[in-house]
Amino acid sequence: SQELEQSPQSLIVQEGKNLTINCTSSKTLYGLYWYKQKYGEGLIFLMMLQKGGEEKSHEKITAKLDEKKQQSSLHITASQPSHAGIYLCGADSNSGYALNFGKGTSLLVTP
Amino acid sequence: SAVISQKPSRDICQRGTSLTIQCQVDSQVTMMFWYRQQPGQSLTLIATANQGSEATYESGFVIDKFPISRPNLTFSTLTVSNMSPEDSSIYLCSAEPPGGLLYNEQFFGPGTRLTVL
Repeated sequence: SQELEQSPQSLIVQEGKNLTINCTSSKTLYGLYWYKQKYGEGLIFLMMLQKGGEEKSHEKITAKLDEKKQQSSLHITASQPSHAGIYLCGADSNSGYALNFGKGTSLLVTP
Repeated sequence: SAVISQKPSRDICQRGTSLTIQCQVDSQVTMMFWYRQQPGQSLTLIATANQGSEATYESGFVIDKFPISRPNLTFSTLTVSNMSPEDSSIYLCSAEPPGGLLYNEQFFGPGTRLTVL
């Protein structure tokens, strides 16, 4: 089965700083999804990448999928306390439309 | 986008009891999914629930422990049976987006935080 490794496991950054979270797959990614989870809550869909080299942005968050489609990065510019949470990458699985997820990256933004 | 609600949002239960979690979608969807997120772990798919058919369970999950109902296109329940402390997790349901799956952009409920004593 496909395994997704996220790094770093946790991150503490000062407000205003930039940060990057990585997601690496053991297999080719045919659909890579980024979600944000606020502590103890559900998941909020951020964006989805499909094509090698694809890059998408939403507000201050940019996600990229590498050309080989095995690694994705999520970059946050000028971080704010509202960015705090757990960021999970997910990928299409063998179980129909269900997703496999990485273990998540916990982000804390300090004032 | 679809709006998904779950009940209860959290519960504390005694071992040996059962809890049924409800998931309501504000639009008709074909596919719904139940995930479990144990403390410090990622989400793990429990089963896929399609209306009109038996749920499909992933390896390590069985119907006797996690019976699922899917009576219509907007609702599903997951029961955690004969609970033990190891069942303490957040349980999330998700659904395909309205209009079907162009991409696999699933929408998730807020989760049910279960603590078993």
